[in-house]
Amino acid sequence: TQLLEQSPQFLSIQEGENLTVYCNSSSVFSSLQWYRQEPGEGPVLLVTVVTGGEVKKLKRLTFQFGDARKDSSLHITAAQPGDTGLYLCAGERGNTGKLIFGQGTTLQVKP
Amino acid sequence: DADVTQTPRNRITKTGKRIMLECSQTKGHDRMYWYRQDPGLGLQLIYYSFDVKDINKGEISDGYSVSRQAQAKFSLSLESAIPNQTALYFCATSDLLGTQYFGPGTRLTVL
Repeated sequence: TQLLEQSPQFLSIQEGENLTVYCNSSSVFSSLQWYRQEPGEGPVLLVTVVTGGEVKKLKRLTFQFGDARKDSSLHITAAQPGDTGLYLCAGERGNTGKLIFGQGTTLQVKP
Repeated sequence: DADVTQTPRNRITKTGKRIMLECSQTKGHDRMYWYRQDPGLGLQLIYYSFDVKDINKGEISDGYSVSRQAQAKFSLSLESAIPNQTALYFCATSDLLGTQYFGPGTRLTVL
């Protein structure tokens, strides 16, 4: 059983479309991070959210942490081919220094 | 130069062989991690270390061992490799805010 469920697992869209990726759990997290991974490379941090209800924006990407700190979403506006990659959410429970990762969402943006 | 390096980048080996994957970092972080990545499963934690004298098992430590030779070096060993250990392996470090910095990965194939 996956502690962090990410959906969808695969998304193929046309350039200019909007999309949302969800990361859900029945557990509370002290923080939640989103990473992006490109082929042949390790994941790279996009954002960390720590407060329930928090919204952070990174250019065309909007991240939200649920009020109860059990879920998060990533919304991309007007997707570009350069957004193609694997998006991973990861949560920390308490102050353990360990992350629990979702399964990942593979995004393909076609020109 | 990359902050987190892994060697080798690719390795093909046979069942029963002993394999060592090495990780070095120049970020000066105390915390280091080893993960494996399989399609559709995200990243699973194998072992982690919060300082040179601290080694802890992660979710899937069976069949693996680690050594923390110095603050900058953390190696992962497969004492007797088996085919279901075929995967992509990542080393990571973490700062005190919890951001993880990943190496480029090692693709291991066990025949």
